[in-house]
Amino acid sequence: AQSVTQLGSHVSVSEGALVLLRCNYSSSVPPYLFWYVQYPNQGLQLLLKYTSAATLVKGINGFEAEFKKSETSFHLTKPSAHMSDAAEYFCAVSDILTGGGNKLTFGTGTQLKVEL
Amino acid sequence: DAMVIQNPRYQVTQFGKPVTLSCSQTLNHNVMYWYQQKSSQAPKLLFHYYDKDFNNEADTPDNFQSRRPNTSFCFLDIRSPGLGDAAMYLCATSREGTGTNEQFFGPGTRLTVL
Repeated sequence: AQSVTQLGSHVSVSEGALVLLRCNYSSSVPPYLFWYVQYPNQGLQLLLKYTSAATLVKGINGFEAEFKKSETSFHLTKPSAHMSDAAEYFCAVSDILTGGGNKLTFGTGTQLKVEL
Repeated sequence: DAMVIQNPRYQVTQFGKPVTLSCSQTLNHNVMYWYQQKSSQAPKLLFHYYDKDFNNEADTPDNFQSRRPNTSFCFLDIRSPGLGDAAMYLCATSREGTGTNEQFFGPGTRLTVL
């Protein structure tokens, strides 16, 4: 089964600073990779996805991620943090399920704190 | 706007008292999923429906059941909730065949067991 590892359960940055959230994947085949954001007591919102079309993926709210096969990484970045970016971020990998559909396996999440 | 709706947003039940959580979608997606997310943990897939076909994850307790009466609705039934079942329950949908495997999530139902 495929898996993802998120390094750093908590990341703190200053407003305006670079955001870097790390995700490494384990997969024997080209993976589908996702970044989701979750605000308190809310569901998951898709930030961006990698589906092998382009290695640099741009998402919503100024976020982007780069797929690096040699490093098995899919780190999430944003050039300038905003207070509204404070949330929990999950990296996920998709497995095709027998019987149809796909299963998202999530990393343990990174709580992003943005300070003034 | 097309969306995934979950009701109620907050549910309180008593230990051992059956509870049903509801999910509906206006996306006309053929696959619906239920995830369990315990406090400070990642979501974990419980089961999913591909059209009318039910698919259970191997480690999902028997206490959890699901129904999908039509394309738009899916229910999660917890037959005898225990304290360990307190969690956020997330419903998600996807459309098979798009090639992106993207799942769309509802806002979740937070279940408290007293």
